[in-house]
Amino acid sequence: AQSVAQPEDQVNVAEGNPLTVKCTYSVSGNPYLFWYVQYPNRGLQFLLKYITGDNLVKGSYGFEAEFNKSQTSFHLKKPSALVSDSALYFCAVRDELTGGGNKLTFGTGTQLKVEL
Amino acid sequence: NAGVTQTPKFRVLKTGQSMTLLCAQDMNHEYMYWYRQDPGMGLRLIHYSVGEGTTAKGEVPDGYNVSRLKKQNFLLGLESAAPSQTSVYFCASTGSGANVLTFGAGSRLTVL
Repeated sequence: AQSVAQPEDQVNVAEGNPLTVKCTYSVSGNPYLFWYVQYPNRGLQFLLKYITGDNLVKGSYGFEAEFNKSQTSFHLKKPSALVSDSALYFCAVRDELTGGGNKLTFGTGTQLKVEL
Repeated sequence: NAGVTQTPKFRVLKTGQSMTLLCAQDMNHEYMYWYRQDPGMGLRLIHYSVGEGTTAKGEVPDGYNVSRLKKQNFLLGLESAAPSQTSVYFCASTGSGANVLTFGAGSRLTVL
C-alpha cells in the first residue's frame, strides 16, 4: 500500500524568507514522488517530481524538493518566498510496485500563505 | 491545445437526481482518472481507466459509475445523488509511459 502525509494544514511565511512544506511517504517498493500546486478555483498544476537519480529535484517557479530515503521524506522548498506563491500544495506518491494505472495517492494538502 | 476539459463547471442537484460529468482530453492520453476533493481530505480516487473500453475502481467508488467509450472521453455518473457526494470533482489524464497528471479545472457539485 502507498500513503503520504502532510503534517501541516497551513504554513505562514514572510515574503523573502525561505519556505518549507513537509511531506512524508510510505511505500513497499521504490517511490515516485510529486508536488502539485492548486490556486483558488483551479485544477492542480505539476511542480516537480522525483523518480530516480539526484536527490535534489528542481521544478517550476523556483521550487525544489529533496528526496530523503532514510527519513522517507520529500519536503518542498523555496529559498525566497513570494506573495504569489500563496496556494494549496499537494504531495503525491506512487509505489513502483503498484499495479497498472499509474495511480497516485495524494496528501491532504498544505495551505501556504506568504505575507508582506 | 485545450488539455483536459470538464463540463459542467457547476451543478446543483436534489437528493435522488442523476447526472453525468464529462471529461475530455485532447492529448491522446491512455490513462484517465476521476478524483473528488473534500476539505481536509485531499484528493481521493473514484475510478480510473487505462484505455478505451476499460474502467477500474479507485479508493471511493461507491455511488458512482464511469464509462470510457472513446479514448478522449471519460464520463462520471451519479445515478442517485446524495448530500455526501457534494464535492469538487477533478478529472486528470496521463500517457501510459509518463507519470505526470494533467488536471481539468474541476466541477463543483452540490447535492441538496
